[in-house]
Amino acid sequence: DAGVIQSPRHEVTEMGQEVTLRCKPISGHDYLFWYRQTMMRGLELLIYFNNNVPIDDSGMPEDRFSAKMPNASFSTLKIQPSEPRDSAVYFCASSLGGNNGYTFGSGTRLTVV
Amino acid sequence: ILNVEQSPQSLHVQEGDSTNFTCSFPSSNFYALHWYRWETAKSPEALFVMTLNGDEKKKGRISATLNTKEGYSYLYIKGSQPEDSATYLCAPRVTSGSRLTFGEGTQLTVNP
Repeated sequence: DAGVIQSPRHEVTEMGQEVTLRCKPISGHDYLFWYRQTMMRGLELLIYFNNNVPIDDSGMPEDRFSAKMPNASFSTLKIQPSEPRDSAVYFCASSLGGNNGYTFGSGTRLTVV
Repeated sequence: ILNVEQSPQSLHVQEGDSTNFTCSFPSSNFYALHWYRWETAKSPEALFVMTLNGDEKKKGRISATLNTKEGYSYLYIKGSQPEDSATYLCAPRVTSGSRLTFGEGTQLTVNP
């Protein structure tokens, strides 16, 4: 298994532009999580899905952020419009649930200038 | 949101030293505690999942203990090596859902 695959690895965009981050979870994992790493807050949960259904999106900072999981093998996190304070590393993780650990992707480093 | 505290925030040790650090979490509604190892420029990797009070897990030179009644877990590294340098994160899980709440981590640097 190739693990959790995120793309792109790096994204530099101008303020106001739309940004889409992508994630392919491990096949068979029922849970998918989007985290953001910042200096101030460490690893911060944005949203998670179970069987493609969003369960908890209370961590999504504001309406500019949205996430979808159209099928079991793909999820997107979209920021529109992007702002410089959105600059961070965004991680996707998947899990079988229960007492299984999370497998993280390599992350997307987003820079908004 | 769970209050998860890890201490110390950072730690510098010499190669060969043994070290330990602490994760504190609310003891109510405890379901499981996860430990992760996060090397710079990589993604977090799962170390242990612990569920029972008194649990002890071991992986090579790294071990962890769990006290669910008082709400803490210790991570021990015996004979630290430079390759152990990483941030060690703990993440408790409560019964209400599958989300983990990560602490801010302990950043360990092992000097050769």
